[in-house]
Amino acid sequence: DQQVKQNSPSLSVQEGRISILNCDYTNSMFDYFLWYKKYPAEGPTFLISISSIKDKNEDGRFTVFLNKSAKHLSLHIVPSQPGDSAVYFCAAAGGSWGKLQFGAGTQVVVTP
Amino acid sequence: GAVVSQHPSWVICKSGTSVKIECRSLDFQATTMFWYRQFPKQSLMLMATSNEGSKATYEQGVEKDKFLINHASLTLSTLTVTSAHPEDSSFYICSARGRGTYEQYFGPGTRLTVT
Repeated sequence: DQQVKQNSPSLSVQEGRISILNCDYTNSMFDYFLWYKKYPAEGPTFLISISSIKDKNEDGRFTVFLNKSAKHLSLHIVPSQPGDSAVYFCAAAGGSWGKLQFGAGTQVVVTP
Repeated sequence: GAVVSQHPSWVICKSGTSVKIECRSLDFQATTMFWYRQFPKQSLMLMATSNEGSKATYEQGVEKDKFLINHASLTLSTLTVTSAHPEDSSFYICSARGRGTYEQYFGPGTRLTVT
């Protein structure tokens, strides 16, 4: 039973435009959410996180939005760059500092 | 900051032998380390969680006698794949987390090929 879902397996966006990645979760106990970026044959790289007490967190070109009532979060990348082409994983955690639940990932391709 | 290293980055071994993979947090104390496995075109599968000085907690379906995990210090955890078989061939990734945080920082991964 997947508690964190990324329903779009892939996303293609033009360089300079906005990339919007979506993530839904089912467990209301989750109170911390993270986004990771992963290149092939490498470990994931932490991008940005958000606590459930906030609805937005921004870091440079990356902004994460959280809608608790909808159990939905999104990652915005503006402007998209070719180096952003990678797989992006959404992750959620909650309770007693436990493990992260990962989504299946979204492959982003930024085209010139 | 928050750098995690893994060694080796790739290893080829013969069926029946054992392989040890090291995971180190280089610039912070990792009270908890995690071991994941990733199959091609799939998400990360958590294998086990280890807290420094304690026995590892394995996920359902992961054989603890086959995948031995040791977390002897705040900067080092090891995963030993014992009596490796071709089906153990995979990409193994560790992550580390400091005290009181949710963020996990991942190592670069180890590609294991069992022939």
